[in-house]
Amino acid sequence: ILNVEQSPQSLHVQEGDSTNFTCSFPSSNFYALHWYRWETAKSPEALFVMTLNGDEKKKGRISATLNTKEGYSYLYIKGSQPEDSATYLCAFYTDKLIFGTGTRLQVFP
Amino acid sequence: DSGVTQTPKHLITATGQRVTLRCSPRSGDLSVYWYQQSLDQGLQFLIQYYNGEERAKGNILERFSAQQFPDLHSELNLSSLELGDSALYFCASSVVDGGGYTFGSGTRLTVV
Repeated sequence: ILNVEQSPQSLHVQEGDSTNFTCSFPSSNFYALHWYRWETAKSPEALFVMTLNGDEKKKGRISATLNTKEGYSYLYIKGSQPEDSATYLCAFYTDKLIFGTGTRLQVFP
Repeated sequence: DSGVTQTPKHLITATGQRVTLRCSPRSGDLSVYWYQQSLDQGLQFLIQYYNGEERAKGNILERFSAQQFPDLHSELNLSSLELGDSALYFCASSVVDGGGYTFGSGTRLTVV
């Protein structure tokens, strides 16, 4: 059974704080690691697809790193804003995309 | 609008009934995926179709079936419905396997 673990489960930060989350996945049979952002009452939206060990991706204030040998990925948000409030999902791809349960981020003004 | 269209948005039906959920993928995407999100659970993979053929299967119940048609739209059929089948059902599509998924807005199924 493939297990994708995310921590923490939830996070409350003040506007302007930087924050990061962890995604752990099996290090064998790796093909790709995805990050999604899921706002309440909307559908998940792709942030990054990462395939190579050492990959670093950036989109505005959000960035992600990947370590396939040890099976983890970090998502960083610099200077959090209230509009960053959402659940951040990672997903591990082999022959199917298996999602973690997400980190729920709330940013208070 | 993500480009992935799911209908209906909401569905309320009784136990024992059968329903069909429909998904039209984003233009150009050949792969369609179905996911279930039950209360307090994450997204659970059900099944994938690629260009009309079943490509991968998750923990999909035998009461559930799916297909992808020549125009690439897909249908998820749920039969002999039980209260526990109440969930949000998402469809997603992608250009290539392993590429980023584009999700539809989901169908909320309530079984009473």
